[in-house]
Amino acid sequence: GQNIDQPTEMTATEGAIVQINCTYQTSGFNGLFWYQQHAGEAPTFLSYNVLDGLEEKGRFSSFLSRSKGYSYLLLKELQMKDSASYLCASLDSNYQLIWGAGTKLIIKP
Amino acid sequence: GAVVSQHPSRVICKSGTSVKIECRSLDFQATTMFWYRQFPKKSLMLMATSNEGSKATYEQGVEKDKFLINHASLTLSTLTVTSAHPEDSSFYICSAPGLAENNEQFFGPGTRLTVL
Repeated sequence: GQNIDQPTEMTATEGAIVQINCTYQTSGFNGLFWYQQHAGEAPTFLSYNVLDGLEEKGRFSSFLSRSKGYSYLLLKELQMKDSASYLCASLDSNYQLIWGAGTKLIIKP
Repeated sequence: GAVVSQHPSRVICKSGTSVKIECRSLDFQATTMFWYRQFPKKSLMLMATSNEGSKATYEQGVEKDKFLINHASLTLSTLTVTSAHPEDSSFYICSAPGLAENNEQFFGPGTRLTVL
């Protein structure tokens, strides 16, 4: 079956670094997405990885290992506005997104 | 970047009534649009894939006669929740794939439906 696993909730301190992990098992693979979703709002695109390695974009970086079915989102210099849910999604062989349940990130001062 | 709009953003209706939600791609054409439902603290659940000029493809467990989808043009898809009940109260989000190589989907802002 198809499955995406990520932690339910994480807590971090303002200014610190946090890594949110995601493991996936999907029918075929056409890339791994990370989206940010604030409460009551639609998801917004953060990153897309289709090749192994690290993609850096400002304070956010995303890593992919296809052989391990594993990705992580790394957030540096955390700000209070980063408090949100972070959704991991895999694009399967039919180009359909398979979504994880999301990781609620709580930032404390 | 590509923009997707949704209307209305919030709707409150009485049980038994029907509600129509519109999803529009504003600056690009979308032959395919996706409709999701999200319950509080839960992930996005794909309900159906809307295809311009043909019937929508519904996910298992989603009643096609209850959630009517019409993709009338390359920029508009509508979702009608017929005979709504309180259990249909949810956050409904549409998305459309853009033309970028990264297969990014662009999301509408969502519609919060509350059925009394």
